[in-house]
Amino acid sequence: DAGITQSPRYKITETGRQVTLMCHQTWSHSYMFWYRQDLGHGLRLIYYSAAADITDKGEVPDGYVVSRSKTENFPLTLESATRSQTSVYFCASSEGLGNTDTQYFGPGTRLTVL
Amino acid sequence: AQSVAQPEDQVNVAEGNPLTVKCTYSVSGNPYLFWYVQYPNRGLQFLLKYITGDNLVKGSYGFEAEFNKSQTSFHLKKPSALVSDSALYFCAVRDLSGGYNKLIFGAGTRLAVHP
Repeated sequence: DAGITQSPRYKITETGRQVTLMCHQTWSHSYMFWYRQDLGHGLRLIYYSAAADITDKGEVPDGYVVSRSKTENFPLTLESATRSQTSVYFCASSEGLGNTDTQYFGPGTRLTVL
Repeated sequence: AQSVAQPEDQVNVAEGNPLTVKCTYSVSGNPYLFWYVQYPNRGLQFLLKYITGDNLVKGSYGFEAEFNKSQTSFHLKKPSALVSDSALYFCAVRDLSGGYNKLIFGAGTRLAVHP
């Protein structure tokens, strides 16, 4: 079914481990985004990508790495997970600038770092 | 810098009564404003947006929002609340800093509709 999917939906890991969260969209949207949602902070932008091979930092990029070799995929990697990275992570996509800039969100990944 | 504020952490409404969820914004240039809703254990869903034109924007599920330039507000409204409207609501503003299209979200307002 078309849309935006995230995997895994739930992940428990330990401090210091590397974790990769996957995001896949079937709309061929140019833009993709990674947010984290924490109580009291709303959604904060981690990284975004305007197209394949174009990525840039958002508000809270430290400790995260992204890549975008294909338009439809935008993985987020926590190189060495910390407890402060326990959060719910959302991926989103949009067509681009102007009136087509509505973002569509995936279902989220709940990550717990022990 | 662009920003939005949602002054209420929670709004409580009785079913059948009108509801308002408040949002104020601060932008340089013309504002592009959005409302999203998040149901429990789900991603955010787009409700409506203001780009230009009519100050009253109609969206999904019977929601509407009123853009007020003089008060820099974009409040979400619904004439008659349903228990199923209980959710977390986010206001957002488009941010073009750095030359790329992003959204800046408010902290969210939890709407509780009581039977």
